[in-house]
Amino acid sequence: AQKVTQAQTEISVVEKEDVTLDCVYETRDTTYYLFWYKQPPSGELVFLIRRNSFDEQNEISGRYSWNFQKSTSSFNFTITASQVVDSAVYFCALSAVIQGAQKLVFGQGTRLTINP
Amino acid sequence: DVKVTQSSRYLVKRTGEKVFLECVQDMDHENMFWYRQDPGLGLRLIYFSYDVKMKEKGDIPEGYSVSREKKERFSLILESASTNQTSMYLCASRRPSGRQFFGPGTRLTVL
Repeated sequence: AQKVTQAQTEISVVEKEDVTLDCVYETRDTTYYLFWYKQPPSGELVFLIRRNSFDEQNEISGRYSWNFQKSTSSFNFTITASQVVDSAVYFCALSAVIQGAQKLVFGQGTRLTINP
Repeated sequence: DVKVTQSSRYLVKRTGEKVFLECVQDMDHENMFWYRQDPGLGLRLIYFSYDVKMKEKGDIPEGYSVSREKKERFSLILESASTNQTSMYLCASRRPSGRQFFGPGTRLTVL
């Protein structure tokens, strides 16, 4: 079965701290994609990154970085020097073929609060 | 710019009412999706559509139906709204490469 687990329900840190959001997934597929989405208070999901299962290189984009480790089925997301604007719910997702169709399977989400 | 719009941001309905949630995308995408989002459960797929007039059940289709008469529009229908359908509803549209674009969401309250 395809599954995504975000064990951290809520995280609260003080501005400028680094914070890591954990994501663990389960899949039997050999080819799959992993995603991170951000949902600010406005409600709309904002795409952050997509990672192909064959590409285990870590990625850095400004203050954001992602650590993909196939050996532990994890795709963790780190925000360096956090800012109040980073406060949001963050979702990790797995693109999986289920019942012959490609779908996104989401984790439960992690609510991140950055306090000034 | 890519755009997915949903007809309402907030909606309040009464138990037993028929409710229509509309979603429109301007990207000419074949695939469209309806999710509901509940605290602690993440996003769960209700229905999706491969193309016009084609639909498939997702993980939690009970109590819902959908309509896709035109490529750009995907409607979610609650035939007889119940209080347990109070939730945030998100529509998405998909490029062939797999990335989904989401609308702003409709927060539905059923009294």
